[in-house]
Amino acid sequence: AQRVTQPEKLLSVFKGAPVELKCNYSYSGSPELFWYVQYSRQRLQLLLRHISRESIKGFTADLNKGETSFHLKKPFAQEEDSAMYYCALKSGTYKYIFGTGTRLKVLA
Amino acid sequence: DAMVIQNPRYQVTQFGKPVTLSCSQTLNHNVMYWYQQKSSQAPKLLFHYYDKDFNNEADTPDNFQSRRPNTSFCFLDIRSPGLGDAAMYLCATSRDSEGGPYEQYFGPGTRLTVT
Repeated sequence: AQRVTQPEKLLSVFKGAPVELKCNYSYSGSPELFWYVQYSRQRLQLLLRHISRESIKGFTADLNKGETSFHLKKPFAQEEDSAMYYCALKSGTYKYIFGTGTRLKVLA
Repeated sequence: DAMVIQNPRYQVTQFGKPVTLSCSQTLNHNVMYWYQQKSSQAPKLLFHYYDKDFNNEADTPDNFQSRRPNTSFCFLDIRSPGLGDAAMYLCATSRDSEGGPYEQYFGPGTRLTVT
């Protein structure tokens, strides 16, 4: 079954601490994975996608096919990073499966 | 400069009373999606349009229908809402490109309450 798992509903870290938001997937083909973010009172928006191998707002995510993971990392959390983060798997040409999301709280 | 607009933002309907949610876009994207997101759950794809071609997810209840009269607008019709249909409904768009669409642009969502 195709599935995206985000095991943490809430992650609290102090400002300046490293952050790792976990995402594991189940998919039989070659996966395309994304991280979306939703800041307070804003719409869901793309943060990054694995094929771009980019760093956005200091966040990076590496696809690990052996561990079927696509964890989102940032070395030094900022208060403005507080948001809801969703991992998503593109499971068909126009089909995306989202995880249940992790709320990140960065404490001052 | 809103790109994907959803109206209304909040909708209250009665059990069994048909309701329509609307989505419009200024991006001229050819693909439009409707997601249902219940509290603390993942957004779940209901269906999508590729231009005028409608594609229903296998597990989307028949109670949910959609219309796309033109590129800019897409509607979600719930024929007989039940209490279990209370949720946030998200509209999204994407532009098809070689290798498939990559980024989805989401609207702010419509929160549906069923009384």
